[in-house]
Amino acid sequence: DTAVSQTPKYLVTQMGNDKSIKCEQNLGHDTMYWYKQDSKKFLKIMFSYNNKELIINETVPNRFSPKSPDKAHLNLHINSLELGDSAVYFCASSQGLGSYNEQFFGPGTRLTVL
Amino acid sequence: AQKITQTQPGMFVQEKEAVTLDCTYDTSDQSYGLFWYKQPSSGEMIFLIYQGSYDEQNATEGRYSLNFQKARKSANLVISASQLGDSAMYFCAMREGPGNYGQNFVFGPGTRLSVLP
Repeated sequence: DTAVSQTPKYLVTQMGNDKSIKCEQNLGHDTMYWYKQDSKKFLKIMFSYNNKELIINETVPNRFSPKSPDKAHLNLHINSLELGDSAVYFCASSQGLGSYNEQFFGPGTRLTVL
Repeated sequence: AQKITQTQPGMFVQEKEAVTLDCTYDTSDQSYGLFWYKQPSSGEMIFLIYQGSYDEQNATEGRYSLNFQKARKSANLVISASQLGDSAMYFCAMREGPGNYGQNFVFGPGTRLSVLP
C-alpha cells in the first residue's frame, strides 16, 4: 500500500498553461507539505498544512495555490506556468508539527515546462 | 544563513567499508529533531534515521548510525559495511520545535555517495 501518492508522476506542458498535481496520504497524518526540488537537488519547502489549515507559505509566487479538501489530500495548482517552474515537486506528510515527527515523502512529480 | 551544512558534495567509498557523511546545523532552539534521508537515482525520498535533541544516546537503525555531537552542532551519518545499493544522494534535515512554524523542516544541500565495487 502506497503511503503517500502523487499524480501524475511526470507532467510536460507548455508555458502559460495551468496544471494541478494531486497528493494523497493514507497514514492518518495531520500535516502535509509541498516541496520543490530544483535541478541542483536543493529541496525547499513551499507550503505546509495542518488539519487542513495553511501553516507555512514560503515566498512562493501566488501562481501556486495549494488546496486541502480534507486531511488526507493536499493538491497543488499552478497557474500560468513558467520555464523556471520546471522541477520535481514532492508531497510529504507527518503525524504532526513536533520536532520529532519525520516526514514521509511521495514519489515526486517531475514537471517540465517547455 | 544556512541552517544545515553538508560540506561534502560528493563522496566515494569502497564496498564493505564504512563511510561518514557530515552534517552541521544551526539553531537556537533547545528542542529540535535531526533527520537523514536517502534519495536514490529513482528519485524517491527515503527516511533513514532520526535523532532528537534531548536523546542522550546516538540513534542507530541497522547499518545506519548517527554520530550526534550537540555541543558542536553536528549530526554525522555513519553507514557501516557499504553496499552498492547505498549509492545515492543523502540529505540531512532539521526540524525545530513546533513553535517555529516558519522554520519547518530545513534540508541541507545533500551529499552524493558513490559506492565502488
